[in-house]
Amino acid sequence: GEEVAQTPKHLVRGEGQKAKLYCAPIKGHSYVFWYQQVLKNEFKFLISFQNENVFDETGMPKERFSAKCLPNSPCSLEIQATKLEDSAVYFCASSQSVQGGGYTFGSGTRLTVV
Amino acid sequence: AQTVTQSQPEMSVQEAETVTLSCTYDTSESDYYLFWYKQPPSRQMILVIRQEAYKQQNATENRFSVNFQKAAKSFSLKISDSQLGDAAMYFCAYQGGSEKLVFGKGTKLTVNP
Repeated sequence: GEEVAQTPKHLVRGEGQKAKLYCAPIKGHSYVFWYQQVLKNEFKFLISFQNENVFDETGMPKERFSAKCLPNSPCSLEIQATKLEDSAVYFCASSQSVQGGGYTFGSGTRLTVV
Repeated sequence: AQTVTQSQPEMSVQEAETVTLSCTYDTSESDYYLFWYKQPPSRQMILVIRQEAYKQQNATENRFSVNFQKAAKSFSLKISDSQLGDAAMYFCAYQGGSEKLVFGKGTKLTVNP
């Protein structure tokens, strides 16, 4: 399809629970990016993939966050043992090329940790 | 590391008038791209306009244009004939050799009827 599909739109988890977010990139796009937008609107880069391979994971909190992009499956971002500070909107974006084209963003998943 | 600064947390404009949103960035790279994204209350990120650093000509997309000053590391967005639908958060973003986008903190634009 021509849109980046993120599911679910909203997710509520109790502190310590697991959260799993999904992203289906645009068909034919080789690159997938995950960003976290916190309440003050600031965007934080988490991780990027080139096909199923990790391209850049410098933004990932290694202890509790993990992500995958497997062939023929939506990409996923998983947070183990969520904390209140993980409450944010998580955006996925995809791109044909890694530089210059601009990304196509999904509509985001709002994670609320209570 | 690259940084992007949007010095105007909020701006307002009258419908049909023109408004300019400021953005400056810091980088030691010579080849990069700059973007303006619009985020309405729906929170969907919409690409408004992009500029390649190697191009001297300022990018234009209908009512949206940029003033790209490479030496000054400035990349402002001008919205002409503002419409109510232009009300949103606007984010300036930089993309260099590291590929990931670096965002400013955003400017909230209000359009008054």
